[in-house]
Amino acid sequence: GAVVSQHPSWVICKSGTSVKIECRSLDFQATTMFWYRQFPKQSLMLMATSNEGSKATYEQGVEKDKFLINHASLTLSTLTVTSAHPEDSSFYICSAGQGNEKLFFGSGTQLSVL
Amino acid sequence: QKEVEQNSGPLSVPEGAIASLNCTYSDRGSQSFFWYRQYSGKSPELIMSIYSNGDKEDGRFTAQLNKASQYVSLLIRDSQPSDSATYLCAVMDSSYKLIFGSGTRLLVRP
Repeated sequence: GAVVSQHPSWVICKSGTSVKIECRSLDFQATTMFWYRQFPKQSLMLMATSNEGSKATYEQGVEKDKFLINHASLTLSTLTVTSAHPEDSSFYICSAGQGNEKLFFGSGTQLSVL
Repeated sequence: QKEVEQNSGPLSVPEGAIASLNCTYSDRGSQSFFWYRQYSGKSPELIMSIYSNGDKEDGRFTAQLNKASQYVSLLIRDSQPSDSATYLCAVMDSSYKLIFGSGTRLLVRP
C-alpha cells in the first residue's frame, strides 16, 4: 500500500516555542492531505485539510494562526504548532489519499509541551 | 453535525471466538465506510473498506453495511490476542473528509 511518512515521531518542547511536523507521501503525489489530532482515549478529530498550492481549510474551532499548515509540494505538507502550550499536547496524525477513496496515515507525532 | 457512534467497550471475547463491532452514522448521504485498527500510541491502520450494502469478506474480517439503517459492522472470526486493539469506524463525507467514531476497545483473552 501507499506510504505516508511523518516526522518527528515524538517531540518535547517548552511552553511558548513552536514545533514543526512534516508529512510526506513517499510513493505517490497527494494534492490533498489531512491533519488530525487525537487526545488520549478519544477519537481522531480533523483539524484541517491541506491543499497543495493553496490555503488550508480549517475545521470549526481550530485556530489557523496557531496551527500553520503549508503544502508546498505534491509530496509534503507541514503543520507548525506556534507558541505551543501544555493544552496542545496531543497525538497529531497526517493522512494522504491515493485517489479519493482511501486514506493512508502517517505514523503520528506525540507532542508534549512542558 | 455529522456523527459516527460506537460503543467504547471494552468488548472482551475469548481467543477463537467471533468479535462483533458495531457503528452507526448520521449522514444518510455517506457512501464510503472504513474500519481502522489502532494500537495504543500508534497510528490507525486500514482494515476494511465497504461501499455497497451487504457483506464484504477479507480473510478473518467481514464488514457489513446497511445504508437504510445507517449501520456498519465488523466481524472478526477466530479472534487472536493480537487482535486486541481499538477499532475505529470512519465515514467519508461528500468532501472526502473522514469522520471517525470514538472507537471500540477489543480485548481477546488467551
